[in-house]
Parts: sequence; structure tokens; C-alpha cells
Amino acid sequence: DARVTQTPRHKVTEMGQEVTMRCQPILGHNTVFWYRQTMMQGLELLAYFRNRAPLDDSGMPKDRFSAEMPDATLATLKIQPSEPRDSAVYFCASGLFRGTDTQYFGPGTRLTVL
Amino acid sequence: ILNVEQSPQSLHVQEGDSTNFTCSFPSSNFYALHWYRWETAKSPEALFVMTLNGDEKKKGRISATLNTKEGYSYLYIKGSQPEDSATYLCAFPENTDKLIFGTGTRLQVFP
Repeated sequence: DARVTQTPRHKVTEMGQEVTMRCQPILGHNTVFWYRQTMMQGLELLAYFRNRAPLDDSGMPKDRFSAEMPDATLATLKIQPSEPRDSAVYFCASGLFRGTDTQYFGPGTRLTVL
Repeated sequence: ILNVEQSPQSLHVQEGDSTNFTCSFPSSNFYALHWYRWETAKSPEALFVMTLNGDEKKKGRISATLNTKEGYSYLYIKGSQPEDSATYLCAFPENTDKLIFGTGTRLQVFP
């Protein structure tokens, strides 16, 4: 049963620390998305990749967030330095490049920045 | 910027009641409309992908209809059960690329 995996599932850190979240997309999926769950907007798109190339990261605060896909089986989202307002659940999703295809979500990383 | 709107924002119903909610999306350049179910403390799961005007999809007690000409989709739940409590999201592909999600309808079903 193929699924998207994310690590860690929970992360508690102190303000100013670096945080790295990892995602393993479903094998064969060529598009990977990073979302953040917000109270106001539900799912906020931070960045996404197609065939490992970044297509859009306009949803990310550029000064502190960075997203990479070093290989087809790993996507990372890094926050440096972290701030309390970054506390949220971060979801990774993967899918195929077609508007009719489903996105499959990972279980999320719950980040708490103290 | 595409706008996907959902109403109502939240809904409280009694077990056994049937309910429905709405997703509005741009009617021009339609490609597909997605529905997701998102339980608390879990991740969103796909319910339906709808592509044709007049399309109707069904999964158990949940069904959805699509009107691409006027830009809306309805999600119906027949005989709601407490396990149906979740946030229901609709999403619209932008340029067949990324999905633009609505803010969701939060459904609570009381026993």
C-alpha cells in the first residue's frame, strides 16, 4: 500500500533553531507539494516540485524557509531560524502532473516552536 | 488568482440527518474539481475527482454533483453518522498544475 511518509511526525524546538522536515513521495509520482495547515486558510501551499525541479515557492517566507528535492525519493523543507509563528502542521503531498489526478497526503509534521 | 469558495463554513447536524454543502469555482477554463475529506488530526484524503458537467459521483452515503457552466459542486451526505465528522475540502486545478483549495466546510455530526 503505497503512501507518502513524513519525518519527524512531531517536532518541538526553541525559537532560532533550525528545523528540517522530510518527505518521501509515492514512488513514480513526479510532483511533490508542501502545505501548511492554518486556522484561517486551511491548507496553504508553500512550494512544489515537478521532476525534482522547483516550480513555485511563492507561498514561502523566503528569508527563512527553503525547500529542496535532492533526489526523487526525498523532499525537504527547512526553516532557519524558526519562530513561534511557524508552529503548525506541515503536510507533504505527491501526485502526477495532471489536474485530474489525486494528490496523496502524508501524515504531516506537527511543529511547535517555543 | 483563482478563488474557490465553500459554504457554509461549518455545519452541526444530528445523526441521521442528511446534509449538503457547496463549492464555487471559476466556470471558465474548467479542468476538474476535487473533493477531499479531512478528519481532525489526520491528513486530507481524496473523495472524488469530477471532470464532466453533470457528473455525479457516489461513495457509500456521500455523493457529489458538478455544474461546470455555473461553477459549482454540491456534496451530499445521506443519513449522517458521527464518523462523517470532518472538514470537507474542494480543490480546483490551476493550469492543470497545482490545486487551489477552498477553506472547507467543517461538519460535526452529533449522536
